[in-house]
Amino acid sequence: GAGVSQSPSNKVTEKGKDVELRCDPISGHTALYWYRQSLGQGLEFLIYFQGNSAPDKSGLPSDRFSAERTGGSVSTLTIQRTQQEDSAVYLCASSPRPFRDEQYFGPGTRLTVT
Amino acid sequence: QQQVKQSPQSLIVQKGGIPIINCAYENTAFDYFPWYQQFPGKGPALLIAIRPDVSEKKEGRFTISFNKSAKQFSLHIMDSQPGDSATYFCAPPPISGSARQLTFGSGTQLTVLP
Repeated sequence: GAGVSQSPSNKVTEKGKDVELRCDPISGHTALYWYRQSLGQGLEFLIYFQGNSAPDKSGLPSDRFSAERTGGSVSTLTIQRTQQEDSAVYLCASSPRPFRDEQYFGPGTRLTVT
Repeated sequence: QQQVKQSPQSLIVQKGGIPIINCAYENTAFDYFPWYQQFPGKGPALLIAIRPDVSEKKEGRFTISFNKSAKQFSLHIMDSQPGDSATYFCAPPPISGSARQLTFGSGTQLTVLP
């Protein structure tokens, strides 16, 4: 079956521009997670959704970051007024239940802010 | 607040060797202990996982052992191959609590020499 997909796969943007990153989770998965991974580093947890609800947004790095999920499916991570330090790979994952099951990861979106 | 401590940070072994990667955790409210494998340019993928009702689980050349009293679980790779060269993460999800506690270990970069 189809796995988690993310788009775009690569995004180059100028400092100060807004970007939207999209995640299509596995159908039926209640939980959806966003992570950020800088080059050669571990995964930094950003936010998770249970259904359309994000119970805790405190993991987002700044108020320039926001995320939403609609219809219990697609999620969008938006970064406003991008900065060079936002450059990283943004990974999305989904699982049947939050905090209980294997996470299935997408291939990631590589964001480069110039 | 760091929930898991992974070691070593990097590991180099000869083909056929048995690399061992450890993950120590602080929070006792975990009931699922997974190891993820990540190849360059790809998202992490579940390699093997264990529930705390067993002390060891073997899948092919990969074994996960769990020591509840020591709050530690380990990954052993038998007869390691160059294709096992990847980064490995432990990532026990909390049963409940703040989403900020959903952290991956810092990662272990394994290199298996031919």
